Amino acid sequence: EPEVTQTPSHQVTQMGQEVILRCVPISNHLYFYWYRQILGQKVEFLVSFYNNEISEKSEIFDDQFSVERPDGSNFTLKIRSTKLEDSAMYFCASSEAPAGVLFGPGTRLTVT
Amino acid sequence: RKEVEQDPGPFNVPEGATVAFNCTYSNSASQSFFWYRQDCRKEPKLLMSVYSSGNEDGRFTAQLNRASQYISLLIRDSKLSDSATYLCVVIPGSSNTGKLIFGQGTTLQVKP
Repeated sequence: EPEVTQTPSHQVTQMGQEVILRCVPISNHLYFYWYRQILGQKVEFLVSFYNNEISEKSEIFDDQFSVERPDGSNFTLKIRSTKLEDSAMYFCASSEAPAGVLFGPGTRLTVT
Repeated sequence: RKEVEQDPGPFNVPEGATVAFNCTYSNSASQSFFWYRQDCRKEPKLLMSVYSSGNEDGRFTAQLNRASQYISLLIRDSKLSDSATYLCVVIPGSSNTGKLIFGQGTTLQVKP
């Protein structure tokens, strides 16, 4: 069964550093997403991406965040200058249509 | 008012029990509804979509009441492996990008 993959599984970084989280969505999917989940809290939408551009973003997704699909397979989330409160699990997801969203295993980001 | 509200539980039930979870959503224009399951420190996994007519998948039955803005999940004959957090998820009416709004989840612990 096809699945969304993410690397790394765990990333530790110092406050103020840039991080790039990587994802490979399911190959025939057209819609791509990033979500985050702070420990003990609910899953929160960050951004959706379709047709090589951002289609929707949340208030969380400020100027420190960016997404890119640099080639036909990868989908990345960049945080330019990490803060302590960026520590969370980041989930990449994809779907064929805007429903039936499948999630990757997540990257645990720890900012120290 | 939260967009999607769930009783966080935990629900502690014996094997074989029937358990029901409820969820309410605030946006009457919401268009699609799902139950996801999340195991500890893992990604959300789609359990089932929820339709107005109600739908069943084995031991799991989901119901939607649009008038009351209420969604339910019934699990019959609980198994130890059903222990997880169950997430009520909605696509808001304002979005056509597949953005998902998550409830905080209801934790189920099935005991032998």
